[in-house]
Amino acid sequence: GAVVSQHPSRVICKSGTSVKIECRSLDFQATTMFWYRQFPKQSLMLMATSNEGSKATYEQGVEKDKFLINHASLTLSTLTVTSAHPEDSSFYICSASGRTKNIQYFGAGTRLSVL
Amino acid sequence: AQTVTQSQPEMSVQEAETVTLSCTYDTSESNYYLFWYKQPPSRQMILVIRQEAYKQQNATENRFSVNFQKAAKSFSLKISDSQLGDTAMYFCAFMKHGSSNTGKLIFGQGTTLQVKP
Repeated sequence: GAVVSQHPSRVICKSGTSVKIECRSLDFQATTMFWYRQFPKQSLMLMATSNEGSKATYEQGVEKDKFLINHASLTLSTLTVTSAHPEDSSFYICSASGRTKNIQYFGAGTRLSVL
Repeated sequence: AQTVTQSQPEMSVQEAETVTLSCTYDTSESNYYLFWYKQPPSRQMILVIRQEAYKQQNATENRFSVNFQKAAKSFSLKISDSQLGDTAMYFCAFMKHGSSNTGKLIFGQGTTLQVKP
């Protein structure tokens, strides 16, 4: 199946710094990418949907200025957590789909710890 | 709005036995997709099985099969001949179909399955 690479897998940062997470589709053109947040032993909550070349659509309650999403190419989307605080510590997962939106491929996730 | 409910937070099964995970959903859509995803301890999400609502035949993938009851809005997952590698958190998910489909997946709360040797 298709491969989605997410990097880094783990990041530890100080409070107030910004962290960028990359999501790459390695063998297909990802017209749409999704960013999820998952707390321990809980479900995945969709944060935003990004389509290549256009602004991301954020879910209700997700701060646009806090979680910056860029989808500049058909193979790369980035999530930047700006001025991270301890409450932003979580597991972030990206997924990608091509023209067939009912098939999504997931990255391995990024564990963010903000000290 | 669509909702997905998994009422079993945790389940366990003996190796080689069969287990069924429950999922119910609520929607006013007539056509949609339903999925079961597996998230092992590595936390990599893996698609287990997919069902299109307009297909009456229940989807199967090797040891995994579903019981799709559209009228009851129920979508249970049966795992036969359970293996230790099936130990994971399982998520039921819903997606709209057709022109209104943005690709958005709505997940249930998850069921943690422990396969015991």
